[in-house]
Amino acid sequence: AQSVTQLDSQVPVFEEAPVELRCNYSSSVSVYLFWYVQYPNQGLQLLLKYLSGSTLVKGINGFEAEFNKSQTSFHLRKPSVHISDTAEYFCAVSPLIYNQGGKLIFGQGTELSVKP
Amino acid sequence: NAGVTQTPKFRILKIGQSMTLQCTQDMNHNYMYWYRQDPGMGLKLIYYSVGAGITDKGEVPNGYNVSRSTTEDFPLRLELAAPSQTSVYFCASSYSPGQANEQFFGPGTRLTVL
Repeated sequence: AQSVTQLDSQVPVFEEAPVELRCNYSSSVSVYLFWYVQYPNQGLQLLLKYLSGSTLVKGINGFEAEFNKSQTSFHLRKPSVHISDTAEYFCAVSPLIYNQGGKLIFGQGTELSVKP
Repeated sequence: NAGVTQTPKFRILKIGQSMTLQCTQDMNHNYMYWYRQDPGMGLKLIYYSVGAGITDKGEVPNGYNVSRSTTEDFPLRLELAAPSQTSVYFCASSYSPGQANEQFFGPGTRLTVL
């Protein structure tokens, strides 16, 4: 079985400050890793994903994430946030199991609030 | 190209009523999914489909039914609504094969059962 834990439910930060949203996962099989963002009253959209290769992954809107296999973590970072980054962020994994339909297992979400 | 569309946007049901949440995608994706989102709980998979005529249960299927008669449509049926089904429901789709591909989400349906 797989599980995803996002270590912070809420992260308040001032505009132009750096931010890190933490994600740990547990899985008995290899997984793909994803970060999704949900702006208020909207559906989710993909920020970035890690499939293989370089452990540092760059996504949209200046976000990046680093995969750490030994610590089973996939933390999301941005060096300087904007008011428009205020949203809920979800970490998710997809287990590499044949014929499982590409299911995603989500963390609980982290609410990022950027203040002026 | 509308992507994934869901109707209705909002709905209030009484206990015991039934309804169908509609989901349509125009990207010719084989894989489709229904999730529910509860505060502080992330998204939980209800049902998914890997193609027309093929559906399977997710993590929280009790109280729901689905069908997939076409590639485009994947409706979710609530037969006897209960307060525990108050949630925001998201439909998503992806191009096969599944794991490496991005899931595209609809805007959601906010359902309240009173």
